[in-house]
Formats: sequence, structure tokens, C-alpha cells
Amino acid sequence: SQKIEQNSEALNIQEGKTATLTCNYTNYSPAYLQWYRQDPGRGPVFLLLIRENEKEKRKERLKVTFDTTLKQSLFHITASQPADSATYLCALAWNTGFQKLVFGTGTRLLVSP
Amino acid sequence: GAVVSQHPSWVICKSGTSVKIECRSLDFQATTMFWYRQFPKQSLMLMATSNEGSKATYEQGVEKDKFLINHASLTLSTLTVTSAHPEDSSFYICSARILANTGELFFGEGSRLTVL
Repeated sequence: SQKIEQNSEALNIQEGKTATLTCNYTNYSPAYLQWYRQDPGRGPVFLLLIRENEKEKRKERLKVTFDTTLKQSLFHITASQPADSATYLCALAWNTGFQKLVFGTGTRLLVSP
Repeated sequence: GAVVSQHPSWVICKSGTSVKIECRSLDFQATTMFWYRQFPKQSLMLMATSNEGSKATYEQGVEKDKFLINHASLTLSTLTVTSAHPEDSSFYICSARILANTGELFFGEGSRLTVL
């Protein structure tokens, strides 16, 4: 079965630095990969989607890369701010189960002032 | 973006009772909604896919008689936890997708269920 791995340890960085979060998967490459932000006690909020034929996507201070050889996606937040502190989830969808998204456990990001 | 409203945001009930959670798409029609469950510090686990006008598709290991899903209209899906027990205490979140090919999910705010 497909497995998605995100670093379970919290990532602590200083305000203004770039935060980099990792999402690794096993077996088959997904049709697309998404990143969500989740605050405590709230539902996830969609951030970015990247398809299997794309290598990089950007949106304001966010950047996502997708390496199907390494089976890995990296999520970057540049010029990080304390308000960026949250849990970030990656989610994958495969062609065989196109409608379904499978989520990683998420990585908690803490940005200190 | 699209808005998905979930109600109630939290509920406490006695063991053996049933609880209904509503999920509404406020500004779009959702032919498909998804119900997730999340335990503390764990990932979202898909419970079932709810299709308007037809029976829900449950994931392996999810009891369909315990978690009743009804998707009676294009804007409303309900999840009823029947004969709730303390182990059913969890965070339940619904989501909907506007277009199948974009894949982006819009999530409700979640419902925290505590069964005493």
C-alpha cells in the first residue's frame, strides 16, 4: 500500500528564514500532490497543487517542488513569519483512486520572532 | 475560495446515543463530499466518499452501519455516529471538491465529538 512520510518532529525556525518541509512517498508516483495548512482544532486549508509532470510551483512566498525520481516533494516558505506557524500536510492522489486524497501526518512548523 | 460549513463544531454526548453532523457547501454545489476522521497528532483518515443521490462508499475498516452518511442534496451531507462509544471520540471533518480535475478540497471547520 502507498505510504506517505512527513517529518513528525516540529520544525523550529527564526522569523525571516526559509522553512523547508519534506514529503516522501513510496511505490507509485501520484497524479498530483497537494499541500495544506492546518491550525489547531480547524479544518485544513488548501495551499498549492502540483501535478506529476510539473517540477515546481510558486504562490507568493510559497514554493513546492516535485521530484518523481526521488519520490519527494519539498515545500518552502520564504521570509517566514510567526503567523506561518501551523501544521502542514501533504496529500497525494493516484490515478487509480483519483477521487481520493491520502494525507501525510503533517509537520508542525514553529516560527519564532 | 469556496466555503464549507460544518455543524456542530463540538458536541458531547453520552455513550449509546447517536450524533448527527452536518456538512454544507455554502456557495457551490458539491456532488461529492468526503468525510475524514482525525485523532490527535495523526493524519486525516478518509472514512467515506459521499455521493449525492446514491449510497456512500466506505473505506476499508469503516463500519457503514455505525457511521451513517446521507447526501440528500447537492449542498448537504450528514454523518450520523450511531450508538456512540468513547472510542468514537475524535475530530470529524468533511470536505468537498468543486471540480474533479483540480483536486483541490475545501474543508469544513471540523466537529469535535466527545463521548462520555
